[in-house]
Amino acid sequence: AQSVAQPEDQVNVAEGNPLTVKCTYSVSGNPYLFWYVQYPNRGLQFLLKYITGDNLVKGSYGFEAEFNKSQTSFHLKKPSALVSDSALYFCAVRDILGGYQKVTFGTGTKLQVIP
Amino acid sequence: DTGVSQDPRHKITKRGQNVTFRCDPISEHNRLYWYRQTLGQGPEFLTYFQNEAQLEKSRLLSDRFSAERPKGSFSTLEIQRTEQGDSAMYLCASSLGGLAGATDTQYFGPGTRLTVL
Repeated sequence: AQSVAQPEDQVNVAEGNPLTVKCTYSVSGNPYLFWYVQYPNRGLQFLLKYITGDNLVKGSYGFEAEFNKSQTSFHLKKPSALVSDSALYFCAVRDILGGYQKVTFGTGTKLQVIP
Repeated sequence: DTGVSQDPRHKITKRGQNVTFRCDPISEHNRLYWYRQTLGQGPEFLTYFQNEAQLEKSRLLSDRFSAERPKGSFSTLEIQRTEQGDSAMYLCASSLGGLAGATDTQYFGPGTRLTVL
């Protein structure tokens, strides 16, 4: 079984400040982790992924995420938030060794960047 | 635009009617996925195709739901005898998958929002 938890329904941050959106996961084997962003009435846009290698992954629009195996976390970060970053962010996981294509998503975290 | 496209973008129907949605994946993508997203939730996996073969189905996919990908290109998702609980956003995604493992990235379409009255 695989699962994802996003403990914060909403994160508020001032423009220009660093932001963190939290994610923890659970898989039986090795995790394949994603972050997606969703704007209102739009589909999901891929931001970044972790398969293996460097624990710090860089993605689109200046976002990065840090994989921490011991804490089973994959937090999304950005050094300086923009108002345009305000959106719904989803963390997702797939068990690489599970042989399945199913991706499990978290419930999402709404990011509000305050001007 | 070479992204994933879905049609229609919005569908309003009465309970008991049948509806069909279409998804056109990114060219050359051999894998296609359907998800359902309800308000306040993340997308929930429904089913997955590799080329024309339907390889995985979620328990969420009741007998009233059927998906096809007859030529390994576009896909359709049909819901028969719709119920109010079927109201949701239906998302399609595609990816280019290799022979083994699951390291491909899924790219999503804009979704079809279904409202059942």
